[in-house]
Amino acid sequence: GAVVSQHPSWVICKSGTSVKIECRSLDFQATTMFWYRQFPKQSLMLMATSNEGSKATYEQGVEKDKFLINHASLTLSTLTVTSAHPEDSSFYICSARDSTSGDYNEQFFGPGTRLTVL
Amino acid sequence: AQSVTQLDSQVPVFEEAPVELRCNYSSSVSVYLFWYVQYPNQGLQLLLKYLSGSTLVKGINGFEAEFNKSQTSFHLRKPSVHISDTAEYFCAVGRKTSGSRLTFGEGTQLTVNP
Repeated sequence: GAVVSQHPSWVICKSGTSVKIECRSLDFQATTMFWYRQFPKQSLMLMATSNEGSKATYEQGVEKDKFLINHASLTLSTLTVTSAHPEDSSFYICSARDSTSGDYNEQFFGPGTRLTVL
Repeated sequence: AQSVTQLDSQVPVFEEAPVELRCNYSSSVSVYLFWYVQYPNQGLQLLLKYLSGSTLVKGINGFEAEFNKSQTSFHLRKPSVHISDTAEYFCAVGRKTSGSRLTFGEGTQLTVNP
């Protein structure tokens, strides 16, 4: 149980285009999903917290107009990188919190999406 | 706010040797503690977690960790490592508040050599 998928697993795009990454909780409902960015040999940096049915909460320094997050259902959140540039190339990881877990905030992580912007 | 410090960025060991990956945290409130493992180009997999109760926590793949409140530490240990344990390990802390985010340490690269 507690499986989180991401699609695509990797994507290459041209500079200036937009890319959408999906994060799905396959066997549980997730009222909260988190989006992280990870540069090579570095830790995970939280970009935003996504709550089902409401606007995402972005961390300081993360451009909300560039990284659009939609959490339209209890099993799906999407991250759209708009007008991508080479500096947006990174490994993007989502996680989902089981809404039935009470005050125990374990997150289940997706396998990540490798974005390369040419 | 809370913070996590992983004291070693890289830990090289030989196969079948014991290993300890160190993690210290700071927080003004009670927290949950986690260790995750990340293999190359993959997401994070939970190794073990401390929520409450016994301070010695056993996880998957033969790993265990001990919560030490007085020293604010949560060190990860394995008595005998395998080549397959080579990976990046992250310590994380989360407040005991529903839906709160996790704060990650910088990670420790464990390399097991034959």
